[in-house]
Amino acid sequence: EVQLVESGGGLVQPGRSLRLSCAASGFTFDDYAMHWVRQVPGKGLEWVSGISWSSDNIDYADSVMGRFTNSRDNAKKSLYLQMNSLRPEDTGIYYCVKDGLVGTRNWGFAYFDSWGQGTLVVVPS
Amino acid sequence: QSVLTQPPSVSGAPGQRVTISCTGSTSNIGAGYDVNWYQQFPGTAPKLLIYGSSNRPSGVPDRFSGSRFGTSASLAITGLQAEDEADYYCHSYDRSLSGGVLFGGGTKLTVL
Repeated sequence: EVQLVESGGGLVQPGRSLRLSCAASGFTFDDYAMHWVRQVPGKGLEWVSGISWSSDNIDYADSVMGRFTNSRDNAKKSLYLQMNSLRPEDTGIYYCVKDGLVGTRNWGFAYFDSWGQGTLVVVPS
Repeated sequence: QSVLTQPPSVSGAPGQRVTISCTGSTSNIGAGYDVNWYQQFPGTAPKLLIYGSSNRPSGVPDRFSGSRFGTSASLAITGLQAEDEADYYCHSYDRSLSGGVLFGGGTKLTVL
């Protein structure tokens, strides 16, 4: 059974940093691209970033480009999101998400077949 | 504002058929990119419902079906059940956007 467990969320002041982690199990982690998707409670989904299985392709939404860094450690079966210069609009639940296609390096036909339970990040205004 | 447009809400009585539309453009659905659908209950993570526009993952009832046509896609739910009351999101790729991944704004399904 695929399991994705996020950690690292919390209350952080604007301009500060936070690092989210995601521990994966139940599948061959280094076969799959991984993504971060966030959601303001009660609102819609927003894709944040995707990283290919080998980390040779990493993409970001415009809203986080230059502030967030997505990375992975295949040996540790872990995904990370380093979030710098946090803003109130970064508040939300951050989900670690597994891509459904083996070996994906781009997102044109990606789909998200497993989601973690999410970790809440709060940046007060 | 999302470039994939979904109705904010739809409703139907038990046993009925409802559809949820996802309207895009020539840079996303109309360019041939697949549409995926997710179901989300309050307080829980989204769950994949339809992938590749019309494929159901294992375990998803065949009451759920997806289709894609032109610049739009649709999720159909037949034999509506009370347990289907949830939020539904479409997802596709837009070649004109940085990163390219986008979601529709979501549709709240109410079972009357």
